[in-house]
Amino acid sequence: EAGVTQSPTHLIKTRGQQVTLRCSPISGHTSVYWYQQALGLGLQFLLWYDEGEERNRGNFPPRFSGRQFPNYSSELNVNALELEDSALYLCASSFFRGGGETQYFGPGTRLLVL
Amino acid sequence: AQTVTQSQPEMSVQEAETVTLSCTYDTSESNYYLFWYKQPPSRQMILVIRQEAYKQQNATENRFSVNFQKAAKSFSLKISDSQLGDTAMYFCAFSQEGGGADGLTFGKGTHLIIQP
Repeated sequence: EAGVTQSPTHLIKTRGQQVTLRCSPISGHTSVYWYQQALGLGLQFLLWYDEGEERNRGNFPPRFSGRQFPNYSSELNVNALELEDSALYLCASSFFRGGGETQYFGPGTRLLVL
Repeated sequence: AQTVTQSQPEMSVQEAETVTLSCTYDTSESNYYLFWYKQPPSRQMILVIRQEAYKQQNATENRFSVNFQKAAKSFSLKISDSQLGDTAMYFCAFSQEGGGADGLTFGKGTHLIIQP
């Protein structure tokens, strides 16, 4: 069975530009989570989608947004890129049965903002 | 809000030795879930072990086991007979009951190096 996939693997953008990252969950998983792994800041929760709806977001500005499609795949959009947005963006998927389900991670998208 | 603390930024042991990685957490919840994830140099995060807080029995997965002390809010990972392939960043993570409301809360990680 295929795992979580993410595209692209690497991206280089300049400050002020916009970027879209994509994630395909494991088949049967309805929840998709996005995390930012920035150097020195560790892994931080960005967004949670389940059944096509945004369920919660972490402490990030509104220029971080996304959506989940009917096939449960997801996009993360970042507008007005700043240098500090340079990070590894990880997507994870899981079933949702009330909490505590294991999240399975994709390989990540490495974003560099110049 | 929950916090997860990993006090060992880096550890190095010889192959075949046993190593224990520490993790403490802070929460006011009575039921929750704890995880150890491994992130090898290739960057793919892999689940090592999962513990449900309401279960007294410590979780085990082959060479990996945890020492879960709920009262002390401690969740250490023991790796027995360590192998070169165990070299990776190890992250302790917390999830509250009730869904992914806050996602997983991660510690800063421990870089484990297995020496030949």
